[in-house]
Amino acid sequence: NAGVTQTPKFQVLKTGQSMTLQCAQDMNHNSMYWYRQDPGMGLRLIYYSASEGTTDKGEVPNGYNVSRLNKREFSLRLESAAPSQTSVYFCASSDGSQPQHFGDGTRLSIL
Amino acid sequence: QKEVEQNSGPLSVPEGAIASLNCTYSDRGSQSFFWYRQYSGKSPELIMSIYSNGDKEDGRFTAQLNKASQYVSLLIRDSQPSDSATYLCAVNYPGNTPLVFGKGTRLSVIA
Repeated sequence: NAGVTQTPKFQVLKTGQSMTLQCAQDMNHNSMYWYRQDPGMGLRLIYYSASEGTTDKGEVPNGYNVSRLNKREFSLRLESAAPSQTSVYFCASSDGSQPQHFGDGTRLSIL
Repeated sequence: QKEVEQNSGPLSVPEGAIASLNCTYSDRGSQSFFWYRQYSGKSPELIMSIYSNGDKEDGRFTAQLNKASQYVSLLIRDSQPSDSATYLCAVNYPGNTPLVFGKGTRLSVIA
């Protein structure tokens, strides 16, 4: 039982490049989330999907797009990466009001 | 405004002591409360859930909830150096919205 799987684990991009972060969960959860975490800033919600077919903006959506491909998969895309998007990205999933379960994270550096 | 407030720390305690971590929230209608532990460079890990007033114990961990005063706390008894981590408080606010996370309290247990 893998839980929440994120790929890749590490990535270095140049400014202006695009990239998609992948997330898959095998817990049959309805809801999925993307966060970024920067030193001293805590977890900040980028986008979430309450159920298959729906997506909503979180606290810091600018510069990102998401796709809920099916119930298992939720991807995060950076269309034109900027140095300010250097961060650790976490995907999480949950069922209703139950606690979220997190993936191991993607460490993204943009030069 | 949905807020979860935590003292950022660092909170330093000697090995074997009780560590007390506190969290306040802004909506009395909240029903679900969670504590996550995050080691440096790792993802958040759920360690306690609490849903009703009073105490909930799990091994060396005790979560305490006081809805009237809008605070939730985490006590760690017989603290060990391996407990050194950042502890995140998360609150499920009313309505179909994602968990709101505090920025975390960094705990350092000194051997």
